[in-house]
Amino acid sequence: KAGVTQTPRYLIKTRGQQVTLSCSPISGHRSVSWYQQTPGQGLQFLFEYFSETQRNKGNFPGRFSGRQFSNSRSEMNVSTLELGDSALYLCASSSTGSGGEQFFGPGTRLTVL
Amino acid sequence: GIQVEQSPPDLILQEGANSTLRCNFSDSVNNLQWFHQNPWGQLINLFYIPSGTKQNGRLSATTVATERYSLLYISSSQTTDSGVYFCAAYTGANSKLTFGKGITLSVRP
Repeated sequence: KAGVTQTPRYLIKTRGQQVTLSCSPISGHRSVSWYQQTPGQGLQFLFEYFSETQRNKGNFPGRFSGRQFSNSRSEMNVSTLELGDSALYLCASSSTGSGGEQFFGPGTRLTVL
Repeated sequence: GIQVEQSPPDLILQEGANSTLRCNFSDSVNNLQWFHQNPWGQLINLFYIPSGTKQNGRLSATTVATERYSLLYISSSQTTDSGVYFCAAYTGANSKLTFGKGITLSVRP
């Protein structure tokens, strides 16, 4: 089986712009979660989608949003980018989402200038 | 929410040495995972171990759920074992993986 894929792998944006990141889960997995990793805050949970419904959301401002499509692919969007949004964004998929093993993609490294 | 603490924060080993990495968590968990983050940032699954003991080659892990800790053992370490090791706990109440701050392992030749 192919693993979790994320596109793009690298992205450079300027303050005020918006960005959309994409994640394709492992075939058959219906849960997709997003995490942000920064040197200062470590790995933090953004949100989880299961069968196109957001099941849980982390403590991030409304500029961060996401969605999941019927084929389980997910996108996350960050609007009005700030310098502090520079981070590695990781996506994980799971067959159940409820405590099942999670598998991570290679990440998207976002740099905001 | 659940707190996950890893120790020690940094570990330097000579190639061939053994090591134990510890993960303490503050609440009952449905899932406990260990990851190795490669130099490009990807989290590589090592163990899914909410309880009990598992082994995979030179690596093994034990989770004692009743005492709220997990241990990752690395035997006969190699330079390729270098990197950051994370444990992450999942509770039904939070419905998310909560990560520790990671342990940076350096294995010197």
